[in-house]
Amino acid sequence: GQQVMQIPQYQHVQEGEDFTTYCNSSTTLSNIQWYKQRPGGHPVFLIQLVKSGEVKKQKRLTFQFGEAKKNSSLHITATQTTDVGTYFCAASFGNEKLTFGTGTRLTIIP
Amino acid sequence: DGGITQSPKYLFRKEGQNVTLSCEQNLNHDAMYWYRQDPGQGLRLIYYSQIVNDFQKGDIAEGYSVSREKKESFPLTVTSAQKNPTAFYLCASSVGGSSYNEHFFGPGTRLTVL
Repeated sequence: GQQVMQIPQYQHVQEGEDFTTYCNSSTTLSNIQWYKQRPGGHPVFLIQLVKSGEVKKQKRLTFQFGEAKKNSSLHITATQTTDVGTYFCAASFGNEKLTFGTGTRLTIIP
Repeated sequence: DGGITQSPKYLFRKEGQNVTLSCEQNLNHDAMYWYRQDPGQGLRLIYYSQIVNDFQKGDIAEGYSVSREKKESFPLTVTSAQKNPTAFYLCASSVGGSSYNEHFFGPGTRLTVL
């Protein structure tokens, strides 16, 4: 089946360092969404990207959709302890379903 | 206060027993979903429903069953045919069945089969 590869699986950073997670597909995507799941919690929607080359920002978070619509990234500048959690991408290949990546678990070293 | 509720939060069952997980939403959403979350495997789609009285299998439907008799409710039954049922189960809803609609997730039910 169609898959979305997300890397890295884990990332440990010092507080204040930057963090990036990537999602890659071998097939062109219709759209991609990003979710955050706090430890012990449930996924919460962050943003959706639809257009080729699209870049969106939310405070310290920057989301990008590749020109070929086959990859996406989430970058956090100057991480804080509140950024701890698992970040998931969820992509559509043109059908009704969203396919979730395996997630990147971010831990912050104070 | 609108949202999605799942009950119970923790559930323990003996092997061979069927168990039903509850999911209710008061967001007036047409589409509802069930996902299974295992460590290191992300979220995998079990079943989804885009409208009342209709539902489709997801990627890992074997050993599970659902019903959608009411717009607000989408219960999931984990049957004894499911070989490895211990997992965290997440219910979600969206305005419509399009992949462009964001998912709203419930708090989840952690099922442990002994």
